[in-house]
Order: sequence, then structure tokens, then C-alpha cells
Amino acid sequence: GDSVTQMEGPVTLSEEAFLTINCTYTATGYPSLFWYVQYPGEGLQLLLKATKADDKGSNKGFEATYRKETTSFHLEKGSVQVSDSAVYFCALSPSGYSTLTFGKGTMLLVSP
Amino acid sequence: GAGVSQSPRYKVTKRGQDVALRCDPISGHVSLYWYRQALGQGPEFLTYFNYEAQQDKSGLPNDRFSAERPEGSISTLTIQRTEQRDSAMYRCASRQNSGTGLSGANVLTFGAGSRLTVL
Repeated sequence: GDSVTQMEGPVTLSEEAFLTINCTYTATGYPSLFWYVQYPGEGLQLLLKATKADDKGSNKGFEATYRKETTSFHLEKGSVQVSDSAVYFCALSPSGYSTLTFGKGTMLLVSP
Repeated sequence: GAGVSQSPRYKVTKRGQDVALRCDPISGHVSLYWYRQALGQGPEFLTYFNYEAQQDKSGLPNDRFSAERPEGSISTLTIQRTEQRDSAMYRCASRQNSGTGLSGANVLTFGAGSRLTVL
């Protein structure tokens, strides 16, 4: 079945550091890929998405590129802020379907 | 409404009791989804509806779990004879069937969730 694997956290960074959170997936066909973020005490929010190979999703300074050849969708940000501290979830939806399969999530802690 | 609304936000119940969790989706969203998220894990799919029709219930763990959406809007997830292992955050999401970008057709918008604790 479909699955998503994320790097384990917590990821601890200082403000303005470069962020990478790795995500790889297993799926048949051409799934759509997503990053969701969960801030403390809040619900899941969509951060960015990509629907086909080589697409780059971007939002709020975060980026991720859909790499079919490596089945990856790594999340990056050039300079993190304390307000980016949250749990980040990578997810996929199979081609033609809308249900999401999530990874376990990666906690990011950014200190001043 | 402006977002997906879930109630109650917190529910504490004793083992063996029935609980009902409510979800009010974004107005006009055709599809509605239920997920369960255990502590330290990602959300896991339970079931989803298009309008009032339950399209997929393959994620419901056993027959104590059921869901309905009788008028194609508000949905209720019911857990009968609760067990301690049912303790989790239950998340509802809705989706519109058109549009592009971060609010487009293949994007789920989640509510804040209902945290269930079974003692």
C-alpha cells in the first residue's frame, strides 16, 4: 500500500538556520504530494503541494520539489524563524483519489 | 462557515460509554473526511463522504465505529462501547470539488479536532 516516511524529530535549529525535512514516499502511479503544518494547539494547515513530477510547491518561504526519480518531496526553508516551530507532516493522495496518507510528522523547534 | 468546526473540542468518557463527535464542514464543500491521530503519529484515514453518500469506510477499525452525514452537510462520528485504545484526536476535513492552488479541488481543509480520552 501507499506510505510516507519522514525523518524523525525533533529537529532543533537556531533562528536563521537552513531547514531540510526529508520525506520519501511509496505509491503506484503519480500521486499528489503535500506538506501540512500543525502549530501548537491548532489544527492541520496546508503549507504547500505539488501535483506532478518536477513541480515545486512554495509558500511562506518554504519549498519542496516533487522528485519522481527519488520518490521524494523534501521540505526546505532558507532561514527559519521561531514562529516556524511546529509539527510538519508530509502526505500523499493517490492519482484520482482524494484521501490522504500521512507520515508520522516531524517536530521543528527553533530557538532565538 | 468560515472553517471546519468540530465539537466537542475535548471529551472525557468512561470505558463502555458511547460518544458522538460532530463535524460542520465549510459551506459548499461536497466531500467530508474523518481521520484519527494518535499521539506522536500522523493522521490515519477513517472514512469519507461525497454529499450524504459514504464513499469509503475502509479505515474504520471495527464495527463500533460508524459515521453519517444524512443531509450532506454536518457529519457525526459515533463510537459505541468505547475502549481505552480509542483515545486519540479525531479530525474532520472537508474539500471542495473545484478550484486550484492551496484551496483547490484536491486540498483538504482540517478542523481543530476533537480530543477523546477514554478512562
